[in-house]
Amino acid sequence: QVQLVQSGAEVKTPGASVKVSCKASGYTFTTYIMHWVRQAPGQRLEWMGWINAGNGNTKSSQKFQGRVTITRDTSANTAYMELSSLRSEDTAVYYCVRDASRIYDYWGQGTLVTVSS
Amino acid sequence: EIVLTQSPGTLSLSPGERATLSCRASQSVSSSYLAWYQQKPGQAPRLLIYGASSRATGSPDRFSGSGSGTDFTLTISRLEPEDFAVYYCQQYGSSPYTFGQGTKLEIK
Repeated sequence: QVQLVQSGAEVKTPGASVKVSCKASGYTFTTYIMHWVRQAPGQRLEWMGWINAGNGNTKSSQKFQGRVTITRDTSANTAYMELSSLRSEDTAVYYCVRDASRIYDYWGQGTLVTVSS
Repeated sequence: EIVLTQSPGTLSLSPGERATLSCRASQSVSSSYLAWYQQKPGQAPRLLIYGASSRATGSPDRFSGSGSGTDFTLTISRLEPEDFAVYYCQQYGSSPYTFGQGTKLEIK
């Protein structure tokens, strides 16, 4: 069965970077796109970007351009999202989401990133 | 950027009743790339409807979606106790892919 298992919670200080991983299993990793979506406390879900796990092409929301880097390791069936220059407003739960031809069908369990001094 | 506005913010109903949730877009959503998700506390969102009206695998048939252009609706024909949750719409036709602010469906 399809599973997306994310790395554990992180606590970071302002200005630091965080890298969240998403390990996929149960399907052919390279034939799908993976998105990253976040949810700050009390806020709506927010799309951050995607990576084509096959060719490595990426696209990110303009809001995060310059701060977000999405990569993948095909040998490990794992996608990564790195967010730099963290500020308190980046405190959120971060999700990876599989895109099956524009169907966001499987979500990771979420990774809480807390930014606090 | 397409802004999605959901209404009502909170909907109070009893099990067995019919629920109608609305999602309005600030611009037309291309090719009806509109999805609905259910989210329960402490859980990731779960896909219910994609393409405005197609039910996702495992989504009960009491959930249905309709609409096109800028106006979309999620209908739950007969509420079950497990349906009380927060519902979000999302458009994925135009980047950045945006979400509504959510409708909380609570037990009356």
